[in-house]
Amino acid sequence: EDKVVQSPLSLVVHEGDTVTLNCSYEVTNFRSLLWYKQEKKAPTFLFMLTSSGIEKKSGRLSSILDKKELFSILNITATQTGDSAVYLCAVHTGTASKLTFGTGTRLQVTL
Amino acid sequence: NAGVMQNPRHLVRRRGQEARLRCSPMKGHSHVYWYRQLPEEGLKFMVYLQKENIIDESGMPKERFSAEFPKEGPSILRIQQVVRGDSAAYFCASSLSQGPSYEQYFGPGTRLTVT
Repeated sequence: EDKVVQSPLSLVVHEGDTVTLNCSYEVTNFRSLLWYKQEKKAPTFLFMLTSSGIEKKSGRLSSILDKKELFSILNITATQTGDSAVYLCAVHTGTASKLTFGTGTRLQVTL
Repeated sequence: NAGVMQNPRHLVRRRGQEARLRCSPMKGHSHVYWYRQLPEEGLKFMVYLQKENIIDESGMPKERFSAEFPKEGPSILRIQQVVRGDSAAYFCASSLSQGPSYEQYFGPGTRLTVT
């Protein structure tokens, strides 16, 4: 059975800190890995990663994939209170169109 | 707003009643996915549909649950004879096409509470 594990489960940081969220996976026929941000509503798409070692960047957020070690990290620099959310990692496998999600990392950024 | 739309946002049903959840995909998207999120758990895939076709229903419970995506109108997830364990957030996502190169965009979800 495909498995996606995220760590830590939750994290509290001060505004301005840098955080690293982890996602490891054990799946058959990996195709892509996606990161989403979920506040009290729809998960919003952040990144899709398909190739090892190529960093994707959007503002203060960046992510990279290691297909040899089967993990990805999501970095957030200079955190702000608006970054408080649950960050979800999902893996797309084979020809199936479904995503397998981890349970998420709950990030709280305090003043 | 051209995003994925779901309604209702909140739904309360008594045990034994039917729940009907609706999803309108993003404009131009013809691929719809339903996921369920139980409290303190990740999203779990339920079903993938294209217009008038169920493509993958490997995550659907065998009984009481059904889904459709008619030629006209929204996709519907139907839960018959609801039980307390059906209480969850149900999210719909859509994509432009199928396959791992296409992001899935999510709607705001329907929070079902069974009393």
